[in-house]
Parts: sequence; structure tokens; C-alpha cells
Amino acid sequence: ETGVTQSPTHLIKTRGQQVTLRCSSQSGHNTVSWYQQALGQGPQFIFQYYREEENGRGNFPPRFSGLQFPNYSSELNVNALELDDSALYLCASSFRENTGELFFGEGSRLTVL
Amino acid sequence: QKEVEQDPGPLSVPEGAIVSLNCTYSNSAFQYFMWYRQYSRKGPELLMYTYSSGNKEDGRFTAQVDKSSKYISLFIRDSQPSDSATYLCAILSGSARQLTFGSGTQLTVLP
Repeated sequence: ETGVTQSPTHLIKTRGQQVTLRCSSQSGHNTVSWYQQALGQGPQFIFQYYREEENGRGNFPPRFSGLQFPNYSSELNVNALELDDSALYLCASSFRENTGELFFGEGSRLTVL
Repeated sequence: QKEVEQDPGPLSVPEGAIVSLNCTYSNSAFQYFMWYRQYSRKGPELLMYTYSSGNKEDGRFTAQVDKSSKYISLFIRDSQPSDSATYLCAILSGSARQLTFGSGTQLTVLP
């Protein structure tokens, strides 16, 4: 059984650029959530996808968008990057929608210059 | 006021000590309470999960929930250097699909 994998692990972008982060869910999990973790802070919920549809969203602007694919892999896209977008982006999969039992990947560390 | 407040630490204890980590929350709708552990440069991993007031034990770890005071705690007995990590409390309401995390407490257990 493979765990949650994320790519890339680190990346550097400049303000105004766009970025795509990828996630492969744990086998058997049909729900994926994305969280943003700033340095020294707890993760903040961005959104959740269940069966390829967004079914929950946190307090993030529309330039944060996502996709979930039929194989339950997922993407997080961020447009018009801002300096404050610098953070660790965590993908978490779960076997159902409404659960606190999340399985996190190791994250993608984004630096915006 | 944040929905979940966590003692920020950092906390440094000698090996073998009993560690107490604490969070308070403001929303009575919160029903499920989790503790996650996050090692440096890793994603969080679930340690314990409870939904009722009272204590829940798992080996050296005890999670305690007091819904009347909106207070949750994690106790670590016989702490080990391998317990050195950031501990995050996380709470889920019954209808929500998102976890609300505390800011984390960084724990160092000195050998």
C-alpha cells in the first residue's frame, strides 16, 4: 500500500507566476484535501475534492483552484502568485468526506520571490 | 479570536518526563478532536482521535477532552527523544469537511 505522494518537493517562483502542485492519493481513498501551512503555523484548509468535485472550500481566493482525476490523483493550481503564498502545501487523502482521519503527504515547499 | 488556540511553546523536557500539550476552542459545534504529530520536513500524521469528553489512552499517549470547558489535552508519559516533533491539535465539526488546526507546539525531549 503506497502512501500519499506529492510533487515537486520544492519550487521557487516569482510574483505573478502560476504554479501547479500534484498529489497522488493513498490507495483506496476517494477524497483529497489541500492545506496551506505557513512557517510556524498550523495547516489551513484550502479545499476538498470528492469524486472529482469540489465539496468544501476554506477562506482562499478563486486564484486557488484544483482538480481531482478519476484515479483520485489531484492538482492544486495557484495563479497570480503573491509573496504571502510562500508556504508548505499539504495534500491529504481520506477514505470518506467527513472525517478527521487524514493521511498527509510530505508537502510541496513553495517560495515566491 | 482564533477558533482553536494552542499553547505555542517551544517546550523542552528531559527524557522520561510527562508532557502536557493543550488547546482551547471556541465553537461548540466542534465534535471530533484529533492530535497530529509533525516531524521536521514531514507531513502531519494522526496520533489520536476522539469524539467524546473524557480520556482515551494509546500506549504512552492520553488524549483528554473537556467539552464543558472547550479544552483538549495530550499527555505523553515517559517521553522519549523520538517524541521530539511539533504537535498539532485539530478539530472537526459534525457538518464540516475541514479540519481546524491549532498553530502547533514544538516539543524537544532531551536525552
